[in-house]
Amino acid sequence: DTGVSQDPRHKITKRGQNVTFRCDPISEHNRLYWYRQTLGQGPEFLTYFQNEAQLEKSRLLSDRFSAERPKGSFSTLEIQRTEQGDSAMYLCASSRDPILKANVLTFGAGSRLTVL
Amino acid sequence: GENVEQHPSTLSVQEGDSAVIKCTYSDSASNYFPWYKQELGKGPQLIIDIRSNVGEKKDQRIAVTLNKTAKHFSLHITETQPEDSAVYFCAASISTGGFKTIFGAGTRLFVKA
Repeated sequence: DTGVSQDPRHKITKRGQNVTFRCDPISEHNRLYWYRQTLGQGPEFLTYFQNEAQLEKSRLLSDRFSAERPKGSFSTLEIQRTEQGDSAMYLCASSRDPILKANVLTFGAGSRLTVL
Repeated sequence: GENVEQHPSTLSVQEGDSAVIKCTYSDSASNYFPWYKQELGKGPQLIIDIRSNVGEKKDQRIAVTLNKTAKHFSLHITETQPEDSAVYFCAASISTGGFKTIFGAGTRLFVKA
């Protein structure tokens, strides 16, 4: 297993354009998370999936943001009508269902978005 | 909701010295406290964690301590090496049934050779 993969690693776009990021989690992990990280800050929770079900969304996730995990495997995060304030690193993480163990997150390398 | 505060924001030490990073949390329901290391161009990687039923945990040169009463936890790195230079994040979550891990703002550690 190669860990959590994210694509693209970097995206530069003009304000108002739509962008989509993809995350491929560790195959045996049924939980998948999206976090946003801005310069000098820690990751901020955006949303999470248990298999294909999106179970929680942060208030940070405006209606311009949508995330899917159609078959409980890879996930996409789409941002419509991008704004300069959307510029950030978008991190994906996955974990096993922590029935008896702690919720240990494995992160991907992130997708850096720059909105001009 | 949970809030995690971390300090210092920047820490510079001489190679071989120790480094200490401190965090506080607000939600008494939090019972799992991981520490992540983030190197340039990479995502955060778990380096050590501690649960609330344990006061201290050690793994080679790194150790974590937890004071549940005061809601404080700390990361200690001994015999620092230049490759320890990175950004370190503390975090808090609820280990069973919980899904949201709340991170501190990070500490940028510089280890001078």
